[in-house]
Amino acid sequence: GQSLEQPSEVTAVEGAIVQINCTYQTSGFYGLSWYQQHDGGAPTFLSYNALDGLEETGRFSSFLSRSDSYGYLLLQELQMKDSASYFCAVRDRRLTGGGNKLTFGTGTQLKVEL
Amino acid sequence: EAEVAQSPRYKITEKSQAVAFWCDPISGHATLYWYRQILGQGPELLVQFQDESVVDDSQLPKDRFSAERLKGVDSTLKIQPAELGDSAMYLCASSQMGVRGYEQYFGPGTRLTVT
Repeated sequence: GQSLEQPSEVTAVEGAIVQINCTYQTSGFYGLSWYQQHDGGAPTFLSYNALDGLEETGRFSSFLSRSDSYGYLLLQELQMKDSASYFCAVRDRRLTGGGNKLTFGTGTQLKVEL
Repeated sequence: EAEVAQSPRYKITEKSQAVAFWCDPISGHATLYWYRQILGQGPELLVQFQDESVVDDSQLPKDRFSAERLKGVDSTLKIQPAELGDSAMYLCASSQMGVRGYEQYFGPGTRLTVT
C-alpha cells in the first residue's frame, strides 16, 4: 500500500519562505502532486513532479527526489492568503484494475502570521 | 473558467435515511472521481469512473454506497442508509485524458452531517 508523511502544522511570518516536506512509500510511482485547500474550500492543484528536480510556478516551487522518495513544496514571499492546508499526493500504479490512482497525505496546515 | 459543479452544498440527514449527491464535471473530462474527506484528513478516493465505466471502487462501502455515471457525463453518489460515521465532505473531481491527466479539478463539495 501507500503511505505519505508530512508535518501536521507549520507557522511562518508574512514575507518569509517556508518549506513543506513530504516522504512517501509506494510501488509503481508515477509522480508527486501538491494541492492547496482553504478552510471550507475545495482542493486546488498547485504542481506536479514526475522527474527529479525543481519545478517553479511563481512564488511556489516543488521538488522531487525519486531515489529518496521525498519531495517538498516551497512557498516564497508568504502572504496572509497562503494560510491553508497543503496536501502532497502520490500518483502511482493501481494494484488492480490497471491505470493509476492518487493517494493524498494527511495535509499540512500552514499559518501565516503578521 | 470551467468548473466542476456539485449539489447540494450542504446536507443534514438523520441516520438510516437515504441521501444523494450530484456532480457535473468539466466538459470533456472523461475521468470523474468521488472522494470523501474527513475533517483534518486528506481526501480519500471512493470511486473513479472512466467515461461511464467504474475503474476503481475498492474503497467504496458497497453495502450502503452506490455511484453511477450513466451517460459518461454527470454522476450521482448515493448513501442508503446513512450512518453517523458518514458525516464528512464529499468531493467530486474530474480530469482530462492525455498529458495533463495528472491534474484533478475539484468541485466545492457537499458537506454531509448525519444526526
